[in-house]
Amino acid sequence: EVQLVESGGGLVKPGSSLKLSCVASGFTFSSYGMHWIRQAPKKGLEWIALIYYDSSNKYYADSVKGRFTISRDNSKNTLYLEMNSLRSEDTAMYYCAKSTPFAYWGQGTLVTVSS
Amino acid sequence: IQLTQSPSLLSASVGDRVTLSCKGSQNINNYLAWYQQKLGEAPKLLIYNTNSLQTGIPSRFSGSGSGTDYTLTISSLQPEDVATYFCYQYNNGFTFGSGTKLEIK
Repeated sequence: EVQLVESGGGLVKPGSSLKLSCVASGFTFSSYGMHWIRQAPKKGLEWIALIYYDSSNKYYADSVKGRFTISRDNSKNTLYLEMNSLRSEDTAMYYCAKSTPFAYWGQGTLVTVSS
Repeated sequence: IQLTQSPSLLSASVGDRVTLSCKGSQNINNYLAWYQQKLGEAPKLLIYNTNSLQTGIPSRFSGSGSGTDYTLTISSLQPEDVATYFCYQYNNGFTFGSGTKLEIK
């Protein structure tokens, strides 16, 4: 059974940093691209980043480019999202998802950016 | 590519045939998926590649469309279908629609 478990969210102040993790199981993690998607409170879904199976390519939404970094450790079956210079508008539930069109999602980890 | 979903809110009765619309700002080439999101849960994939039903999804859900215009149809609305539905394109980048909230009348 495919499982994705996010962690690392929390309450942080504007301008600070946070690193999210997503541990995958139930499939060959090293063979699939992985994505981060977020959802602001009572809002829609926003795709924010993709990393290829071998980390050879990474893509970002304009809203996070230059501030967020996606990475992975295939030896640990773990996906990461390093978030710097956090803003109030980054407040959201952050989901990891396995390769488009996203048949598998984690339960999400909540990031709140507030002073 | 931007996606516009309509209506934003839909109220229908149990047993009704329900149609949700998703329009792209450019040709999506059938790389269009639909998700169902219930309150407090992660989205669930219903349909991918315009009209392919994801494993385990009831057959009352179906998708259609081409070019820039796509539709999700629920043939007979059930109480458990109350949710917000999002379309998503993966033809050129990755974009979600703003969602249609479906309620029971």
